Amino acid sequence: EVQLVESGGGLVQPGGSLRLSCAASGFTVSSNYMSWVRQAPGKGLEWVSVIYSGGSTYYADSVKGRFTISRDNSKNTLYLQMNSLRAEDTAVYYCASIKDGYNYDWGQGTLVTVSS
Amino acid sequence: EIVLTQSPATLSLSPGERATLSCRASQSVSSYLAWYQQKPGQAPRLLIYDASNRATGIPARFSGSGSGTDFTLTISSLEPEDFAVYYCQQRSNWPPAFGQGTRLEIK
Repeated sequence: EVQLVESGGGLVQPGGSLRLSCAASGFTVSSNYMSWVRQAPGKGLEWVSVIYSGGSTYYADSVKGRFTISRDNSKNTLYLQMNSLRAEDTAVYYCASIKDGYNYDWGQGTLVTVSS
Repeated sequence: EIVLTQSPATLSLSPGERATLSCRASQSVSSYLAWYQQKPGQAPRLLIYDASNRATGIPARFSGSGSGTDFTLTISSLEPEDFAVYYCQQRSNWPPAFGQGTRLEIK
């Protein structure tokens, strides 16, 4: 059974940093496309970043230059390093595995709150 | 950047009724469109991919149609557990944008 468990969310001040983790089981992160999707409180879904099995990475314009997606194959874990955080980055962050180009399996999400 | 516009914003129906949700793309996405369902406090769930293919375990009452710029999600006979928010998403171009969602509520 595929399982994705996010962690690392919390309260951070504007300009601060946070690293989110997504521990996977039931499949191999490095062999799959993986993504981070976020949802601001009461709002819709926004695709943040994706990493392909070959290692290529892509980012939404809203986070480019501030966020970095990566993975640790030995830990079968996906990461999102978030720097220079802004109030508008406040959201639940979901990791998801991509199948046929779409987010197929999702984690439960982790809440990031950027506030002073 | 492709923009997806969903309509209506809110749909009020009763169990047993048929639901028709629309998603329109600002330019052609071919058949590269998916539908997700999200219930309060839960992660989204993939229902339909490539416009008309049901994901694993999705009941047959959910169906998708369309191509190019106009797409439809149909729920043939609403069950109580179907009341949720539905999002469309395209994968034709980066970024793989989502629509703003349609809230399906009990009338």
